[in-house]
Amino acid sequence: GQQLNQSPQSMFIQEGEDVSMNCTSSSIFNTWLWYKQDPGEGPVLLIALYKAGELTSNGRLTAQFGTTRKDSFLNISASIPSDVGIYFCAGQEISGNTPLVFGKGTRLSVIA
Amino acid sequence: EPEVTQTPSHQVTQMGQEVILRCVPISNHLYFYWYRQILGQKVEFLVSFYNNEISEKSEIFDDQFSVERPDGSNFTLKIRSTKLEDSAMYFCASISYYEQYFGPGTRLTVT
Repeated sequence: GQQLNQSPQSMFIQEGEDVSMNCTSSSIFNTWLWYKQDPGEGPVLLIALYKAGELTSNGRLTAQFGTTRKDSFLNISASIPSDVGIYFCAGQEISGNTPLVFGKGTRLSVIA
Repeated sequence: EPEVTQTPSHQVTQMGQEVILRCVPISNHLYFYWYRQILGQKVEFLVSFYNNEISEKSEIFDDQFSVERPDGSNFTLKIRSTKLEDSAMYFCASISYYEQYFGPGTRLTVT
């Protein structure tokens, strides 16, 4: 099946630092989504991307849909303690009502 | 803001028992999904459901699993005879346009 490679696996950063994480795929995706999961809870949608090259922001978060359609990155600027959690990328081969393929997640720890 | 809800939040069951996990999707959504997340691992697709039938399922979704929409609001996942390896978080999701919204999950523990 399709696989998404997400990196890094985990990050420890100081409060106020910027963070970057990315996902790559061997196949083309037409939609990229970024989710955040807090312990014991469901994934919460952060940003959705639908077009190659698209750059979208949500507050301090910025995500881009790679031009090859095989990668995406998420940046978090000026991190704060509540940014702690696991960030997952997810892709759809066909946009719309199709299952999501998830990356393995990036565990972010923020040191105050 | 409308949200997906799931019950129970935690279910403990003995191996071989049947469990039913319940979800109430967002009311005007038409596509529904079940995903599974084994502790510490990624979220994996199980099954999608549209117009009262399964539209797609993964290899994980074998004969011990079934889904139903018994009424206009609930969406259920049944595991007929649970195994130890079924212990996981189970998430329901529903879709609006292209964005899938997840419920808070049910933690299933099989002993």
